[in-house]
Amino acid sequence: DTGVSQNPRHKITKRGQNVTFRCDPISEHNRLYWYRQTLGQGPEFLTYFQNEAQLEKSRLLSDRFSAERPKGSFSTLEIQRTEQGDSAMYLCASSLVQGQETQYFGPGTRLLVL
Amino acid sequence: AQKVTQAQTEISVVEKEDVTLDCVYETRDTTYYLFWYKQPPSGELVFLIRRNSFDEQNEISGRYSWNFQKSTSSFNFTITASQVVDSAVYFCALSEANGNNRLAFGKGNQVVVIP
Repeated sequence: DTGVSQNPRHKITKRGQNVTFRCDPISEHNRLYWYRQTLGQGPEFLTYFQNEAQLEKSRLLSDRFSAERPKGSFSTLEIQRTEQGDSAMYLCASSLVQGQETQYFGPGTRLLVL
Repeated sequence: AQKVTQAQTEISVVEKEDVTLDCVYETRDTTYYLFWYKQPPSGELVFLIRRNSFDEQNEISGRYSWNFQKSTSSFNFTITASQVVDSAVYFCALSEANGNNRLAFGKGNQVVVIP
């Protein structure tokens, strides 16, 4: 059974550019979460999906951020008009909805905005 | 609102010593779940242990053990006989049983195991 995968692992971009990250969850998991982690801090919740429905978005998710999970499998997180403050590690996690299941994380995408 | 507090310190131990990490949480829910994750330098968060609020039994899993006390809202974690591979940042996390399962993390403890 493969784990959660994320691509790319690293992204360097210039301020103002758009970036898109991809997350492939564990195959039978129907919940998918996005978190952001800045240096020296714990991850912070951004948004989550159950199947293809986006059920909650954090206040951290500004209008420049959009996430999709069109077929209930992989998900993408897009940041438009990137700012230097967007530099962070973006983590994806997945879980099953059967009671309170554990979230399993991918390796993350490290974004640097110059 | 859910909140997790870890004294954000770097903890250095000599190999084979035990190390205990403290975690204090806040929640209004009566049903919640507590976790410890490990983040090695590679960056991936690795699940270690999980505890449900309705089960205060403390257990040992290999070199890991935990002490869950609802009365003091604490969920402490111990690594016994530490090894160099245990060097990582350790995060305590909480999720409430309100439907979304989102995790609230502490700021982490940097553990350095010296050979």
